[in-house]
Amino acid sequence: DMKVTQMPRYLIKRMGENVLLECGQDMSHETMYWYRQDPGLGLQLIYISYDVDSNSEGDIPKGYRVSRKKREHFSLILDSAKTNQTSVYFCASSLSEQHTEVFFGKGTRLTVV
Amino acid sequence: GDSVTQTEGLVTLTKGLPVMLNCTYQTTYSPFLFWYVQHLNEAPKLLLKSSTDNKRTEHQGFYATLHKSSSSFHLQKSSVQLSDSALYFCAWNNNNRIFFGDGTQLVVKP
Repeated sequence: DMKVTQMPRYLIKRMGENVLLECGQDMSHETMYWYRQDPGLGLQLIYISYDVDSNSEGDIPKGYRVSRKKREHFSLILDSAKTNQTSVYFCASSLSEQHTEVFFGKGTRLTVV
Repeated sequence: GDSVTQTEGLVTLTKGLPVMLNCTYQTTYSPFLFWYVQHLNEAPKLLLKSSTDNKRTEHQGFYATLHKSSSSFHLQKSSVQLSDSALYFCAWNNNNRIFFGDGTQLVVKP
């Protein structure tokens, strides 16, 4: 069963706390992504990972970092969370081919208070 | 630069009417275009895709034709249903740098 799994699904953190969002996929996809989705702003790319320890910034990397030590796992870290990082975060994965579709996880709704 | 543009932020229709959601793209590469659909509180998922010029592709009653001459990949359906209410994203994939449009919210009313 092809799946992208995100944990946790809901998270409330205080401003200044560290946040770890985890993502796993069971399809052996080389490429993984982190997006955030805010009302009216669509899907904004935070980071792309092309494989283990091969990560690149997306369009809005500031305030985030990522870690990929195994092909099936991709973590998003917020060091000292800010209220403007309240959002829904989607992890996704795909094969490294142009025509391939992207598979999304169900998202993590993060609220920073 | 490379981009995907969706001109409508919100489309509201009555059930049974036809719909067309606009998508245009800008790229110097050979395009592979996608439409993703996201229902409320769910993950986006692939609706249909194409890279073949002037060939209609269909799925679940929706269809789209890639027109390279006009850089367009509009999504259409002849008769919308209540269950079609969702957020629709047009996207383009270039070596895994995926460009998503801002999305069009489709609301279908009874």
